[in-house]
Amino acid sequence: GAVVSQHPSRVICKSGTSVKIECRSLDFQATTMFWYRQFPKQSLMLMATSNEGSKATYEQGVEKDKFLINHASLTLSTLTVTSAHPEDSSFYICSARDPIKGEHYEQYFGPGTRLTVT
Amino acid sequence: GQSLEQPSEVTAVEGAIVQINCTYQTSGFYGLSWYQQHDGGAPTFLSYNGLDGLEETGRFSSFLSRSDSYGYLLLQELQMKDSASYFCALMDSSYKLIFGSGTRLLVRP
Repeated sequence: GAVVSQHPSRVICKSGTSVKIECRSLDFQATTMFWYRQFPKQSLMLMATSNEGSKATYEQGVEKDKFLINHASLTLSTLTVTSAHPEDSSFYICSARDPIKGEHYEQYFGPGTRLTVT
Repeated sequence: GQSLEQPSEVTAVEGAIVQINCTYQTSGFYGLSWYQQHDGGAPTFLSYNGLDGLEETGRFSSFLSRSDSYGYLLLQELQMKDSASYFCALMDSSYKLIFGSGTRLLVRP
């Protein structure tokens, strides 16, 4: 149980275009999902907290107009990188808690999406 | 704000025991978690300390001392497959995780 998927796993896009990344909880409902960004050989940086049915909460320094987050259902959150530039190239990972079956401290991570902007 | 520091790299021999330290600065937190990440993969949960002391889960143990702002992950009977990056992470009351800098563990035969 407690599986989180992401789609796509890899995406290459041209500078100036927008890219949407999906994060799904496959066997549980997640009222809250988290989005992280990870540059090569670096740590995971929390970008935002995605709340079902309400606006996302962004961490300091993260541009909310550039990284649009939508959490339309209890099993799906999307991250849209708008007007992508080469410096947005990174590994984007989502995570979620299972508030019913999981321990309160355990988060389940998706496999990540590698974005390359050319 | 919050910050966590870990050694950047640790090398150990197969079958040995290795300890990965984590020191942190924070104004408050719920607990300290540990995650493993293989190159190109997703982080996977290893252990959590909500209270001071030692938590043991199979070959992995984790320790927390709030008074010392310090924790560690202990890996016993090292196997080649344990070569990965290990992250400590502070969890706050809204379940947000703030990750440490990460430690790359290389297990040699």
